[in-house]
Amino acid sequence: AQSVTQLDSQVPVFEEAPVELRCNYSSSVSVYLFWYVQYPNQGLQLLLKYLSGSTLVKGINGFEAEFNKSQTSFHLRKPSVHISDTAEYFCAVSVTGNQFYFGTGTSLTVIP
Amino acid sequence: DTEVTQTPKHLVMGMTNKKSLKCEQHMGHRAMYWYKQKAKKPPELMFVYSYEKLSINESVPSRFSPECPNSSLLNLHLHALQPEDSALYLCASSQDRLLSTDEQFFGPGTRLTVL
Repeated sequence: AQSVTQLDSQVPVFEEAPVELRCNYSSSVSVYLFWYVQYPNQGLQLLLKYLSGSTLVKGINGFEAEFNKSQTSFHLRKPSVHISDTAEYFCAVSVTGNQFYFGTGTSLTVIP
Repeated sequence: DTEVTQTPKHLVMGMTNKKSLKCEQHMGHRAMYWYKQKAKKPPELMFVYSYEKLSINESVPSRFSPECPNSSLLNLHLHALQPEDSALYLCASSQDRLLSTDEQFFGPGTRLTVL
């Protein structure tokens, strides 16, 4: 069975500070990894995805993530956050059959 | 067009009402999904359609009835719902259900309130 763990349910950070949102997964097979963002009262929007190749993946809005196979992690980072980054962030794993397993989400609050 | 649209945006219904949620995409995707999302929780998969055929039903109560009239449209028919069914209902699509590398494109959701 697949599982995705987002240890931090809430992350407050000051504007222009860096942030890291953690994601760990468990899987005995090859996985594909995604980060989605959900702004209030909206659907989910893809930030970035790791399929293969370079372990450092760059996404939209200045976000990037690093795939670490040995630590089964896919942490999301941004060097300088903006107020507009306040949102819910979901890590997801896709395995055979394109079924997504979502983490429980991390609520990022950017403080002015 | 890389958009998934959903109507209505908001829906309030009584427990005896019958209503439908609609989802549409014009990206040529052959897999479409319904998710239910409670506040501050991740989306929970309800149904998956692949090439207009129901391929996954995650033990959803029969008061929820999905329908896929064609490759671009997905409906969710609602009947005799309970207050605990109040949630954000998200539709998503992807190119092919069997391609694990596919991202899923999400619509904005329908906020459903059952009184």
